[in-house]
Amino acid sequence: GQQVMQIPQYQHVQEGEDFTTYCNSSTTLSNIQWYKQRPGGHPVFLIQLVKSGEVKKQKRLTFQFGEAKKNSSLHITATQTTDVGTYFCAGRGGGAQKLVFGQGTRLTINP
Amino acid sequence: DGGITQSPKYLFRKEGQNVTLSCEQNLNHDAMYWYRQDPGQGLRLIYYSQIVNDFQKGDIAEGYSVSREKKESFPLTVTSAQKNPTAFYLCASSGQGGLNEQFFGPGTRLTVL
Repeated sequence: GQQVMQIPQYQHVQEGEDFTTYCNSSTTLSNIQWYKQRPGGHPVFLIQLVKSGEVKKQKRLTFQFGEAKKNSSLHITATQTTDVGTYFCAGRGGGAQKLVFGQGTRLTINP
Repeated sequence: DGGITQSPKYLFRKEGQNVTLSCEQNLNHDAMYWYRQDPGQGLRLIYYSQIVNDFQKGDIAEGYSVSREKKESFPLTVTSAQKNPTAFYLCASSGQGGLNEQFFGPGTRLTVL
């Protein structure tokens, strides 16, 4: 079945440093979504990418969808303590009804 | 306020007992989902329902059961057949179609003693 791998599993940075998490699918995706889960909280939707090669920005966050629609990345510029949490990608294969979540990347920040 | 509610937030049960987790949404969403999250792990799909009176098994359905008698409600029963039930359970809902985001409830942390 479809698998979504996400790396790294953990990332610790100094406040102000950049952060990137990568997501790779075993199959071509029709779309990919990104979620953020704060410690002790629940996942909250950040963004969705649909088109091959698509790039979207939300303030300091940049999301990319690969040309082959099998990988994606989230890059945070100049991290702040409010960025702490676990970031999940979730992809849907063509024709599939369900999202498959990656294992998540847990970001911790040293202020 | 529109949203998804799950209750209770924390639940303790003795081994061998069935337990039902509630999930209610007032977002008028057709689709609802149950996920299990273990420490340091991602979200694994237990069951999902695209429409009332219909549901499908996810990746880890063994030891769980669901019902979808009403659009707003999608309760999950953790049965005694589930070998390792202690986990954080998240319910989500979305509109129909593959391009809709999922809205998550606050979760229920189940501990089986």
